[in-house]
Amino acid sequence: EAGVTQFPSHSVIEKGQTVTLRCDPISGHDNLYWYRRVMGKEIKFLLHFVKESKQDESGMPNNRFLAERTGGTYSTLKVQPAELEDSGVYFCASSHDRVRGYTFGSGTRLTVV
Amino acid sequence: GDSVTQMEGPVTLSEEAFLTINCTYTATGYPSLFWYVQYPGEGLQLLLKATKADDKGSNKGFEATYRKETTSFHLEKGSVQVSDSAVYFCALTNTGGFKTIFGAGTRLFVKA
Repeated sequence: EAGVTQFPSHSVIEKGQTVTLRCDPISGHDNLYWYRRVMGKEIKFLLHFVKESKQDESGMPNNRFLAERTGGTYSTLKVQPAELEDSGVYFCASSHDRVRGYTFGSGTRLTVV
Repeated sequence: GDSVTQMEGPVTLSEEAFLTINCTYTATGYPSLFWYVQYPGEGLQLLLKATKADDKGSNKGFEATYRKETTSFHLEKGSVQVSDSAVYFCALTNTGGFKTIFGAGTRLFVKA
């Protein structure tokens, strides 16, 4: 089966600009997650979709971040306007359930300058 | 809240050395425990998992045993290879939820 696909793989933008990250989960995986790793620290949870619904968005740092999952398929994460501290690697993952673990994408490395 | 603590890196070993990466956790209930690995230039991959106390997860020569009494899930490998150089993340998912809590990651360098 195809894996989780994220693009772009890298993005460099200026402070104040807008960036949209995309994630295509494994087909049939209802659960989709966004995580972020900043500056070599822990991988932090951002939010969890079940199909098109936001199940848990407790990790979203502020209202500059907007995630959507249209039709329960791919998801986008928009950062608007971007700030320097948003730099990091954004990972998307999908899963069937909680026990078997996630399948991660390769991540998008975002650099805000 | 739930948390995962793993040993700081980097860990540098010679090929064929024994590897241990310590991981302890704090959680209510009965979490599932995971080790993920990130090879250079790639995304995270699930390495192994254990879903209940005393379970042993194993894959590619790596092992970890779910120890509820010590709240630990240490990763071990008897003989590392250069190709094992990567960042290793310990993680847990608690009962009743889907959110996974990750440790900070431990970078492993294996020298030929």
